[in-house]
Parts: sequence; structure tokens; C-alpha cells
Amino acid sequence: GEDVEQSLFLSVREGDSSVINCTYTDSSSTYLYWYKQEPGAGLQLLTYIFSNMDMKQDQRLTVLLNKKDKHLSLRIADTQTGDSAIYFCAENADSSASKIIFGSGTRLSIRP
Amino acid sequence: DGGITQSPKYLFRKEGQNVTLSCEQNLNHDAMYWYRQDPGQGLRLIYYSQIVNDFQKGDIAEGYSVSREKKESFPLTVTSAQKNPTAFYLCASSVRTANYGYTFGSGTRLTVV
Repeated sequence: GEDVEQSLFLSVREGDSSVINCTYTDSSSTYLYWYKQEPGAGLQLLTYIFSNMDMKQDQRLTVLLNKKDKHLSLRIADTQTGDSAIYFCAENADSSASKIIFGSGTRLSIRP
Repeated sequence: DGGITQSPKYLFRKEGQNVTLSCEQNLNHDAMYWYRQDPGQGLRLIYYSQIVNDFQKGDIAEGYSVSREKKESFPLTVTSAQKNPTAFYLCASSVRTANYGYTFGSGTRLTVV
């Protein structure tokens, strides 16, 4: 069945790059997403990538997609304290049903 | 500004009572969704609706009910049958195919006292 997996925690030093990884199972996924959730708030769409792309860059964010391995990653350059949040990976497994499958989220903490 | 509004932000309920969470969007989105989030956990889908007057159960629909009488509105009722209702509830909306992802509301934290 459909499943999205990501590690639960990541700790990085301020100013370093953060890399959050995700694996998914549905090879027919057409879109893959990264969301950010700050404490007590809803999820904010950071970026998405279409399945025929390998990479997408948007300012400090770089998304890499390896379709062969069904692996998605989010790199945050020059990580700042404001990047502390939970990051969710998600896939659009069945666009006819408009159903997006979310991972469990990776909590990113920044140390000085 | 277009967006999705959930109210109230905090809600307290006595055991045995039903309570309704509001979700309104002015994005002209066809589809709307309700998720439950427990501390340290991901999102679990409760109900979703792709069109007015139609909705489908998600993974954890027991103890919840919804209605979709208007395109803009998708209220969620947490009934007394829900055994453990204390959680953070998130509403979302999207275009029919959801290709560009969901837009989320800011959430309602429900606490049973």
C-alpha cells in the first residue's frame, strides 16, 4: 500500500545545511511535497516537485528526487533558528481521489 | 486575502458532549479534508469531501461526522462516541486533483475536561 517514511528527529548547528530524507512506496506518484509545521500551527506548503523532475531549487531550499530509489530529500542551506519546525514529506498517490499521503514528520532542531 | 479559517483555536468539551469544529475557505477549492494530529505524531485522515453534498470516510472516521452543504464550509462534529477526542484538528482544502498540494487552516486544539 501507500506509505511515506521519514526519520523522526534531526539536529543541526546554526549556519550548517540540513538534509531531511524521505522514502515513498507508490511509484505512480505524480507530485511530491514538503510541508513545514511550526508549534501550534497548521502545515505550510514549502515546495513541491513534479515526478519528471530530478531537482528543484527555491532560494535556500533544494529538493532532490530519485525516482529509481523512491527517495526524496529537502536541503535547507544556512539553517537558521527560524527553521526549527516539523517537516512533512507527502506524495500525491492518486490524483483522481485528491488524496495526499503524509509522512510522520521530521522534527528539526537547531543548536547554536 | 484568500485562505482557510478554522474556529475556535482552542475548545474545551465535557465528556459525553458533542462539539462542532468550524472550517471555512474562500479559495474556491472543490475538495476539503479533516485531519487529526496527536502529540509527536503525523496526520491521520478523518473525512474528506471532493464535492458539495458528498463526503468519504478516512482512516479514523469512527466517532466523527461531517457535512458539506456549501462549497466553502466543511464542519466536523466530534461526537460522544469518540473515545479519545483530545487532539489537534486540522482542516485543509485543495483543487479537485490536489496537484498543487493542500492549503491548511491554523488548527483547533480540542481538550476534553
